[in-house]
Formats: sequence, structure tokens, C-alpha cells
Amino acid sequence: SYVLTQPPSVSVAPGKTAKITCGGNKIGDKSVHWYQQRPGQAPILVMSYDSDRPSGIPERFSGSNSKNTATLSISRVEAGDEADFYCQVWDRDNKILVFGGGTKLTVL
Amino acid sequence: EIELEESGGGLVQPGRSLRLSCTVSGFEFGDYAMTWVRQAPGKGLDWVGFIRRRSDGGTSEYAASVKGRFTISRDDSKSIAYLQMDSLKVEDTGLYYCSRFRLGSGTHFLDYWGRGALVTVSS
Repeated sequence: SYVLTQPPSVSVAPGKTAKITCGGNKIGDKSVHWYQQRPGQAPILVMSYDSDRPSGIPERFSGSNSKNTATLSISRVEAGDEADFYCQVWDRDNKILVFGGGTKLTVL
Repeated sequence: EIELEESGGGLVQPGRSLRLSCTVSGFEFGDYAMTWVRQAPGKGLDWVGFIRRRSDGGTSEYAASVKGRFTISRDDSKSIAYLQMDSLKVEDTGLYYCSRFRLGSGTHFLDYWGRGALVTVSS
């Protein structure tokens, strides 16, 4: 089945830009969705269809997807952005939903 | 305001059964598919399965790890989705989330999540 690969951790200083990648075979041909899970909380959707921000998600969050890598970018990072982030696709061939392994974002 | 609340979690012995419920409010339940995702302690998100809305046939799809043991159903009159878990294994332990499932063209995703129900499988 389809595999999504994320770096286990990303660290960034406050005010800088964090980039969280999600690798997959020809992932650019799929729609990628992203979720943020703060410690002790349920996940929330922060990006759908590669680059669509749901209502209430700050403009600092943006997304892109091309070839074999999708990227979630967070500009002007704040302490409150610390969380685990997961990418997700729908594997249409196998009719299963696939999550990446998750990336822990640490704000230094 | 859209809300989803899971219930029915607890401690259960291996091989036994447990049923989780997901009660929703704030949207027309019958118009949406629903899905379940679990998270083992300290681990990542693991998709369990989903059920289509009745107008799309009300059928379900499951992850290979739970197929044949877990069953998702729904009661549109009560706005409740269920996850029936049979033949439970220790590795089924985790926090189980229900979510509204958006079915798009060629892609699906989860737009609203509950807070989760803890299931512990242990002898």
C-alpha cells in the first residue's frame, strides 16, 4: 500500500519559517491533507487539498505539493505552534486512508 | 457549533468485545460519512475505517488490521456512529477518535474530530 514518509522532528526558532515535508511516490498526483495535534489534544485539520486553509487557521500556514514531496510551511512560528503534524492521503486503489508517521515540531 | 463525542471506552480482556459510540451535533449527520482513527500510546495516527452516508449505500471500508473484527455502523435517527470491536487484541489498545469524513473527488479527509475514547485491552 501507499507509504508517506515524514521526518520525525523539525526544530525552528521563534519568528522563523518551519517546513514539514511528506514524501510519497508521485504524491504530487494526489491531494494531501495536514493535521496538527497539540499535546494532549485531538488532531485538527490545518490544510486540505494541498494548500486550502480551513476557516480559523492562520494565514501563516501554507501548503504545497509537487512530484514526490508535499510540504506544510509555517511562517513566523510561535511557541503555540509546537505540536505533532501528520500528512494524509486517500489510497484510491486500495480504498484505504494513509497517514504519515508524524513530525514533532519544536520551537526553540 | 459542530461537536463529536466518543463514549464506551474502557478496559477489556483480549478476545472480548467492546462497542464505541460517537454522538454528533451541529450538522446534519445523515449527509456525511463518518470515520474512526486510533492512536496507540505515544504513537501516530492509525486509520480504522469509515462508513458512507445512506444515500451512497451506507457501506464501509476498513484497514487490513481490523477487517473482519471491527464493524462500523450508524443510526441516522440518533446522529450516532458506532464502532463494534470484536476479538480484541492487546495491540488494539489506544485512543479512538471519531471524525466527520469528507468525500471529495479522488480524495477523502477528516474535517472535525472528537476528543477520543480510551480503549485498553489487557488481561
